Amino acid sequence: DAGVIQSPRHEVTEMGQEVTLRCKPISGHDYLFWYRQTMMRGLELLIYFNNNVPIDDSGMPEDRFSAKMPNASFSTLKIQPSEPRDSAVYFCASRSALSSYNEQFFGPGTRLTVL
Amino acid sequence: GDSVTQMEGPVTLSEEAFLTINCTYTATGYPSLFWYVQYPGEGLQLLLKATKADDKGSNKGFEATYRKETTSFHLEKGSVQVSDSAVYFCALNTNAGKSTFGDGTTLTVKP
Repeated sequence: DAGVIQSPRHEVTEMGQEVTLRCKPISGHDYLFWYRQTMMRGLELLIYFNNNVPIDDSGMPEDRFSAKMPNASFSTLKIQPSEPRDSAVYFCASRSALSSYNEQFFGPGTRLTVL
Repeated sequence: GDSVTQMEGPVTLSEEAFLTINCTYTATGYPSLFWYVQYPGEGLQLLLKATKADDKGSNKGFEATYRKETTSFHLEKGSVQVSDSAVYFCALNTNAGKSTFGDGTTLTVKP
């Protein structure tokens, strides 16, 4: 079974550029989560979707960040304009509402470096 | 709101030592409890889980018991290996959409 797929795995960009991170959840999963991980702040939940609808975006740091889920098999996290403090590893995770344990399945992450 | 408190790291042990990483939680209702592990350069992956009081989750020699009376879910392993070096996250879910994660505990096992 394919797990959660994220692309790119690594992204290096310059300050002010637009960055788009992509995620394909596990087929059949109806929840999708975006996290950011840094040494300073640990693992932070940015936003999550249920059935493609954003449910809680209170973790999105500021208006420069936006996330979409146009269909059940694809989501994007966009940063525009990017800043050096956005450098982090961004994880996507998914889970099924039918799971009796509500466990999340994480992708391998995208390591973003903003110069 | 829900919260998870983990033992602060980093934790450094010698191979074959006994491991305990403490985790306590605060939650409304009856949460499911999890331990996730993150190996270097990878995403988090589920290590073990428990859904009700007194359940014991186990996997790869790791164990944790759901203690409702002490609201705890401590992770233990009798004999750690170098390959267990990773970051360990305690988490809970109360049937809400999202899970609540602890801050993570870094374990380093030296040969």
